[in-house]
Amino acid sequence: ETGVTQSPTHLIKTRGQQVTLRCSSQSGHNTVSWYQQALGQGPQFIFQYYREEENGRGNFPPRFSGLQFPNYSSELNVNALELDDSALYLCASSLDRINYGYTFGSGTRLTVV
Amino acid sequence: AQSVTQLDSQVPVFEEAPVELRCNYSSSVSVYLFWYVQYPNQGLQLLLKYLSGSTLVKGINGFEAEFNKSQTSFHLRKPSVHISDTAEYFCAVRSGSARQLTFGSGTQLTVLP
Repeated sequence: ETGVTQSPTHLIKTRGQQVTLRCSSQSGHNTVSWYQQALGQGPQFIFQYYREEENGRGNFPPRFSGLQFPNYSSELNVNALELDDSALYLCASSLDRINYGYTFGSGTRLTVV
Repeated sequence: AQSVTQLDSQVPVFEEAPVELRCNYSSSVSVYLFWYVQYPNQGLQLLLKYLSGSTLVKGINGFEAEFNKSQTSFHLRKPSVHISDTAEYFCAVRSGSARQLTFGSGTQLTVLP
């Protein structure tokens, strides 16, 4: 079975720009979550998608948005980038069952200058 | 609300010595607990998880953890560490109907020769 793949692996953007990060879920998984991991910190939950709809959101502003496609792949979009958006962005896929674990991708390292 | 506290930010230990990484959680409902490992410039890899049943959980790479409900703890242990175990370790909780994982701030394990 394939794991979770994310692209690109690294990205440099300028403050105020917009960025799109992509994620392909593990085969058979119908739920995708996105996390932001700032340097030296644990991952923070951004949002989760199930069957193409957002069904959970963390404490992130609306300029963080996402999409999930019929094949369960996903995008994270961030508008009006700020310097503090510099972080590792992790995608995780799962099944929509409370007792199921998550499989994480290797992440996209975003640097905002 | 769910939260996780990892009591030690850094744990240095000599090769072949035992190690314990401490994790305490806070939740008012039933919990599912996870330990993840993160190597430099990589995503998160699941070490082990507690969903139900036996409170002693065995994971990959010789790690194990014990769920203690009365002390709200889920400490990670390994009887003999290797240089290759040097990494950041994250404890995470998912509780009740929460969609997301809540992570601790991480413990950097450094195995010394």
